[in-house]
Amino acid sequence: GAVVSQHPSRVICKSGTSVKIECRSLDFQATTMFWYRQFPKQSLMLMATSNEGSKATYEQGVEKDKFLINHASLTLSTLTVTSAHPEDSSFYICSARGRSYEQYFGPGTRLTVT
Amino acid sequence: AQSVTQLDSQVPVFEEAPVELRCNYSSSVSVYLFWYVQYPNQGLQLLLKYLSGSTLVKGINGFEAEFNKSQTSFHLRKPSVHISDTAEYFCAVTQGGATNKLIFGTGTLLAVQP
Repeated sequence: GAVVSQHPSRVICKSGTSVKIECRSLDFQATTMFWYRQFPKQSLMLMATSNEGSKATYEQGVEKDKFLINHASLTLSTLTVTSAHPEDSSFYICSARGRSYEQYFGPGTRLTVT
Repeated sequence: AQSVTQLDSQVPVFEEAPVELRCNYSSSVSVYLFWYVQYPNQGLQLLLKYLSGSTLVKGINGFEAEFNKSQTSFHLRKPSVHISDTAEYFCAVTQGGATNKLIFGTGTLLAVQP
């Protein structure tokens, strides 16, 4: 149990376009989901915390207008990278929290902006 | 504020040898501790967790960790490693609560050599 999926697994887009990444909890309800960014050979950096039905809480330094997060249901959160630029290229990982303090992670999405 | 320190960025070890990956944390309140493993281009998989109770925690793939409150440590150990254990290992801490933010260490690359 406790499976989290992400779609797409890889995406290549042109500079200036927007990209949407989906994160789904497949077999449990997640009131809270988290979005992380990971640069090569580095740790995960928390971007934002998303609670179902309310606005996301962004970490300091993360542009909320650039990284739009929507948590419309207990099983789905989306991250939209708006007007993407090459510096937004990264590995984006979501996680979902179940009833305990444990977070279950998705497999990640590799975004490349050309 | 909480923080996690993984002093070793890389640990080379021969196959079938024992290994210990170090993790120290700082927090002024009680915490919950986790070890995650990340294989290349994948998300994070939970190895084990300490929430309360016995300080020796056993996880998947033969790993275990010991919570030492006085030393504020949560070192990960395995008595005999396999080539397939080669991966990045992250220690993480959370205070729990409504937002349940995970604070990650910088990671340790376990490189198992034949």
